Amino acid sequence: GQQVMQIPQYQHVQEGEDFTTYCNSSTTLSNIQWYKQRPGGHPVFLIQLVKSGEVKKQKRLTFQFGEAKKNSSLHITATQTTDVGTYFCAGRDDKIIFGKGTRLHILP
Amino acid sequence: NAGVTQTPKFQVLKTGQSMTLQCAQDMNHNSMYWYRQDPGMGLRLIYYSASEGTTDKGEVPNGYNVSRLNKREFSLRLESAAPSQTSVYFCASSAGLAGTPKQFFGPGTRLTVL
Repeated sequence: GQQVMQIPQYQHVQEGEDFTTYCNSSTTLSNIQWYKQRPGGHPVFLIQLVKSGEVKKQKRLTFQFGEAKKNSSLHITATQTTDVGTYFCAGRDDKIIFGKGTRLHILP
Repeated sequence: NAGVTQTPKFQVLKTGQSMTLQCAQDMNHNSMYWYRQDPGMGLRLIYYSASEGTTDKGEVPNGYNVSRLNKREFSLRLESAAPSQTSVYFCASSAGLAGTPKQFFGPGTRLTVL
């Protein structure tokens, strides 16, 4: 069945360093969404990618959708303490499947 | 707008007890969802309702039932709680299913089954 895998599971970075999380699907996706969940909070929608090879930016965040529409990445430039949380991708094949998330911890 | 609200925020049950988790949204959304979140497991879909009057099973429906009471409300029922159902439960809503509109999540219910 459809699987969405996310790596790494955890990432510790020094404040100011960059961070990347990767999302890989076993099937071709019609679209992919990214969510952020702060510690103790609920997931909040960040962005949706639909087109093959699409790249979108939100300030220090860059989102990419692979050419084959089977993988995606989220890159944060110069992390800040406000970036702490877990980042989830959610891929849509015939239904929406969430990855297990990457928990980002920032070291001051 | 309150968005998506859930009650209760916390609950402790004994094995075998039953309870209903309530969810309501005020965004006039057609679709609603129930997820559970366990450490290291991400979000797993329990049930969803594409529109008022319809419900469908998700990835992990066993042990749960749902009711789409009206367009605003979608409840999740545990008939006989088990320790394996200890989790954080999130309700979410979206405008619909077509085109995969973004989902808005409620604050969650933290359930412990002893």
